[in-house]
Amino acid sequence: DQQVKQNSPSLSVQEGRISILNCDYTNSMFDYFLWYKKYPAEGPTFLISISSIKDKNEDGRFTVFLNKSAKHLSLHIVPSQPGDSAVYFCAASASNTGKLIFGQGTTLQVKP
Amino acid sequence: KAGVTQTPRYLIKTRGQQVTLSCSPISGHRSVSWYQQTPGQGLQFLFEYFSETQRNKGNFPGRFSGRQFSNSRSEMNVSTLELGDSALYLCASSLGPSRGLITDTQYFGPGTRLTVL
Repeated sequence: DQQVKQNSPSLSVQEGRISILNCDYTNSMFDYFLWYKKYPAEGPTFLISISSIKDKNEDGRFTVFLNKSAKHLSLHIVPSQPGDSAVYFCAASASNTGKLIFGQGTTLQVKP
Repeated sequence: KAGVTQTPRYLIKTRGQQVTLSCSPISGHRSVSWYQQTPGQGLQFLFEYFSETQRNKGNFPGRFSGRQFSNSRSEMNVSTLELGDSALYLCASSLGPSRGLITDTQYFGPGTRLTVL
């Protein structure tokens, strides 16, 4: 049972445009959500997080939106840059359990 | 501040052998979690240690075990290796549970690439 789903395995956008990566979850106990970026042969790098008491968190070019009623979150990258090309994972946890449940990842390609 | 370090970075073993992987968390972090990444299964949670105690466990067989030392460093052991254990094993550290807070972000090391022949 996949509790965190990223239904788009890949996404291609033009440099300078907006990238929108989506993530859905099923467990209503999740209260903390994170996005990680991963290059090949490296560990995931933390990008941005949001707790369930918020519906938006922004950090530079990265904004995460949370829609609790739809159990959906999204990561917006604007403007997209070629260096953003990587695999993006969303992850969720429940009440500081230390257990992250990851989505399958979305490969983002930003074309110059 | 130094990041999470994992040793070794690469390892080749044969079926039936055992392996021990090591993880040093970020200074001040007391929680260490382990994940397995495979192409078909994505990132799967193995277990988490906090204050030398296993706090959470994923759905892996008993061949996978771990421990944490008083300095928060952690080791993961896999016994009787199988071909399917070939994967990238990732360690992540965080501050650990804090009463009333839910913003416990995990930071990952570079991983240990294990190949079982």
